[in-house]
Amino acid sequence: QKEVEQDPGPLSVPEGAIVSLNCTYSNSAFQYFMWYRQYSRKGPELLMYTYSSGNKEDGRFTAQVDKSSKYISLFIRDSQPSDSATYLCAMSANGQNFVFGPGTRLSVLP
Amino acid sequence: DAGVIQSPRHEVTEMGQEVTLRCKPISGHNSLFWYRQTMMRGLELLIYFNNNVPIDDSGMPEDRFSAKMPNASFSTLKIQPSEPRDSAVYFCASNIHGQAPYGYTFGSGTRLTVV
Repeated sequence: QKEVEQDPGPLSVPEGAIVSLNCTYSNSAFQYFMWYRQYSRKGPELLMYTYSSGNKEDGRFTAQVDKSSKYISLFIRDSQPSDSATYLCAMSANGQNFVFGPGTRLSVLP
Repeated sequence: DAGVIQSPRHEVTEMGQEVTLRCKPISGHNSLFWYRQTMMRGLELLIYFNNNVPIDDSGMPEDRFSAKMPNASFSTLKIQPSEPRDSAVYFCASNIHGQAPYGYTFGSGTRLTVV
């Protein structure tokens, strides 16, 4: 079993839809959680950061962490074609060396 | 801020040749990370430095790989000799150690093809 699992997709949705992206993990020591967005042929860029459990909202993006289930989610409201990218979750026990999920490829169709 | 700068953007080399990838982290960032990304394995941490000192190189695949950080503004990742299975995108990232939100700033990557 990989330390961090993520459905690779691709996930295709119509413009305006709510998107749900998810990761599961096996290491109960993880307490720092991040979501990165990676456009084609670019480096990943940090979208959201959450410490421990709970929700965090930033504009159209909401990150949720459920440590009891070892499950994190990223929701995108009113999705736009510009949201089409690969979304990577990342997590760490110490806030330093992060383990990345394999990424979910998202396409938002106009 | 110019961000994390990597060079070259693309590198095509023949098997057996030496390859050197370069990275300039963001000024003021004291941690630097080298990652490799492939379709099969995703993003893998190769090595990271704090204050120019290598902290964890357990991800370096084998002795053919070496990394240095001679000063706070420059790091290299060297592969000698290169093999076709080394073909991947290599990313450099930096951050400020111990400072939230802890996320990395990535460079645009070096796409390495070994033929």
